Amino acid sequence: EVQLVESGGGLIQPGGSLRLSCAASGFTVSSNYMSWVRQAPGKGLEWVSIIYSGGSTYYADSVKGRFTISRDNSKNTLYLQMNSLRAEDTAVYYCARGLRFGEPRQPLYFDYWGQGTLVTVSS
Amino acid sequence: QSVLTQPPSVSGAPGQRVTISCTGSSSNIGASYDVHWYQHLPGTAPKLLIYGNSNRPSGVPDRFSGSKSGTSASLAITGLQADDEADYYCQSYDSSLNAFYVFGTGTKVTVL
Repeated sequence: EVQLVESGGGLIQPGGSLRLSCAASGFTVSSNYMSWVRQAPGKGLEWVSIIYSGGSTYYADSVKGRFTISRDNSKNTLYLQMNSLRAEDTAVYYCARGLRFGEPRQPLYFDYWGQGTLVTVSS
Repeated sequence: QSVLTQPPSVSGAPGQRVTISCTGSSSNIGASYDVHWYQHLPGTAPKLLIYGNSNRPSGVPDRFSGSKSGTSASLAITGLQADDEADYYCQSYDSSLNAFYVFGTGTKVTVL
């Protein structure tokens, strides 16, 4: 059974750092597209970052240069290192597995999601 | 704000049919990029409902269906049930943005 479990969220002061983890079971993280998506309070879903099976990484402009996505193949775990945190980064962060349907130009869809971990950036 | 616009809310009585639109432009849906749909209850894991415009993953009831035409896509829910009450999001790609994946603004479905 596929399962994704996030951890690492909490209350952090502006300018601080936090590392989120997403432990996967039932499939191999390194062989899949893995992404982070967040939802700020009262807002919709916002894509944050993705790591491809080949190791390429991409970020939303809102987090580029501050967040780093990575994975530990031995632990089958995805990470999101978040630095220089701002109040607007406050959100529930979800990890999700991406799958492709059709041509390579088509956007991935996310078939499995974790329950999320809450990050609150506040003084 | 997202480049994919959805109505903030739709409602219907049990058993009725509701549709949720996802309106884009020539740089996303109109550029023949696929649309995917998710159901989300806040505090829980979002659930994939439709992928590739109209395909249902196994386990998703056939009461849910998706379609796409021009610069818009739609999700239809027939035989509305109480546990369909949730937020629904479309997702695609926009070639004018740096974001690889864009979600719609979201629609709250209320079962009357």
